[in-house]
Amino acid sequence: DIQMTQSPSSLSASVGDRVTITCRASQSISYSLNWYQQKPGKAPKLLIHAASNLLSGVPSRFSGSGSGTDFTLTINSLQPEDFATYFCQQSFNTPRTFGQGTKVEIK
Amino acid sequence: EVQLLESGGGLVQPGGSLRLSCAASGFTFSSFAMSWVRQSPWKGLEWVSAISGSGGNTYYADSVRGRFTISRDNSKNTLYLQMNSLRAEDTAVYFCAKLTYERNIERFDVWGQGTMVTVSS
Repeated sequence: DIQMTQSPSSLSASVGDRVTITCRASQSISYSLNWYQQKPGKAPKLLIHAASNLLSGVPSRFSGSGSGTDFTLTINSLQPEDFATYFCQQSFNTPRTFGQGTKVEIK
Repeated sequence: EVQLLESGGGLVQPGGSLRLSCAASGFTFSSFAMSWVRQSPWKGLEWVSAISGSGGNTYYADSVRGRFTISRDNSKNTLYLQMNSLRAEDTAVYFCAKLTYERNIERFDVWGQGTMVTVSS
């Protein structure tokens, strides 16, 4: 199975900050990497697919980059509604696997 | 509006069975593969199973293969997960998710609200 490792596991940030979350795959997954946002008690919500493609309707302050084994989710100018947990997920191999999540908290 | 609504969760004893359902609306159900993903505090998000649009191809995580069966009824726009020989480690929130493929890359683009399964005596 491909292991997905996110860092950090949690971070504290203020409104307006720029936040960067990293996801590393245990083997190359090309661009087969998706990012999700999850708020407490809710289902995950797709933000970015194929490493860097922003889903329609997702604010442009979100961006994704990377290929191979190293990927990044960046949130420019963090907004109050962005405080949530973020997960990466690979779709290169079965079983599909997720990172352990990065919780973005208010400083 | 695309919607997925799970049902069927609950409390079951170890070794017991449960069938989850996921009612889909707002899209051509038979045209899309579907999946079950579960989430627990100790294992995080875990892919469980997937099924092709026609139902002819099914896929399972090693942890559930032989105990769980995914199926779909395209005439009822409903996805199912039959769970047998349940174990404590199957305790989780179970989400159904719609799969979309683009340029050979798959994504879970719509999720249901989840249904809780608790396996305990």
